[in-house]
Amino acid sequence: EIVLTQSPGTLSLSPGDRATLSCRATHNVDKNYVAWYQQKPGQPPRLLIYAASIRATGIPDRFSGSGSGTDFTLTVSRLEPEDFALYHCQQYGSSQGSFGQGTKLQIK
Amino acid sequence: QVQLVQSGAEVKRPGASVKLSCKASGYMFTSQYLHWLRQAPGQGLEWVGIIHPSGGSTAYEPRLHGRVTMTRDTSTSTIYLELDRLTSDDTAVYYCARAKGPERWPVDAFDIWGQGTVVTVSS
Repeated sequence: EIVLTQSPGTLSLSPGDRATLSCRATHNVDKNYVAWYQQKPGQPPRLLIYAASIRATGIPDRFSGSGSGTDFTLTVSRLEPEDFALYHCQQYGSSQGSFGQGTKLQIK
Repeated sequence: QVQLVQSGAEVKRPGASVKLSCKASGYMFTSQYLHWLRQAPGQGLEWVGIIHPSGGSTAYEPRLHGRVTMTRDTSTSTIYLELDRLTSDDTAVYYCARAKGPERWPVDAFDIWGQGTVVTVSS
C-alpha cells in the first residue's frame, strides 16, 4: 500500500501570497496518477488537478500541480480569499488507491 | 447539469445496517464507474468501493469486505451502498463520486461528487 504524507499540516498565509503544498508517497506512483482536491466546510471535495499536472474543468490557472515519482506539489500562485480550505492529495496509480491526511490552508 | 444527489442523514444503533442511495443525472449513467468514499469526523478520505453501472461489477476496500454491498438500478440511474454490522467506527460522511475516466479499475480520480450523507452510529 502506498502511504501519502502531506505537509505542512497547516499553512497560514495571506491573500496574494503563494502557497506550496507537498504530497510525498512511500513508493513511486505509477504514471504519476496523483490528484488534488479542495474541500470547504460542509462541502464535498472538488477536483483541482489530476495526473499530477492537468487542471480539471473550470479550475483557475492560479492552481498548478507538478512532480513525479514520489514527490508532488500543488501550487497556488496568488491566493484569493476563497482558496482558504482543506486540500487533499490522492494517488490512483496502484490498484489500492490512497489519500493523504490533508493540508489546511488558513488565513494568517 | 451533471450531478449526484444522495439520500438523507441516518442514525443507527451498533450492529444495525444502513442503505444509502445516490442518483445520477445529466450524463449517461452507464458510461462511467461510480464510487463510494467516506470521511470520519476530523479524518481524511477513505475509499469504500466501486461499481460498474452497466454490468454491476463491484470491488470493495478489503478492510470492509464482508460488510459492504454495492448495487445499482439502471432504470432510475441510482446506486446503493449497504453497510452491515455497524460500529461507531462507521460514523462518517459518505460520498458517492464519479470516476474521471476513462475506465480505470478499481481506482481513479473523482470529478463529480454527491453532497454527502451523514451516518451516525450511536447507542
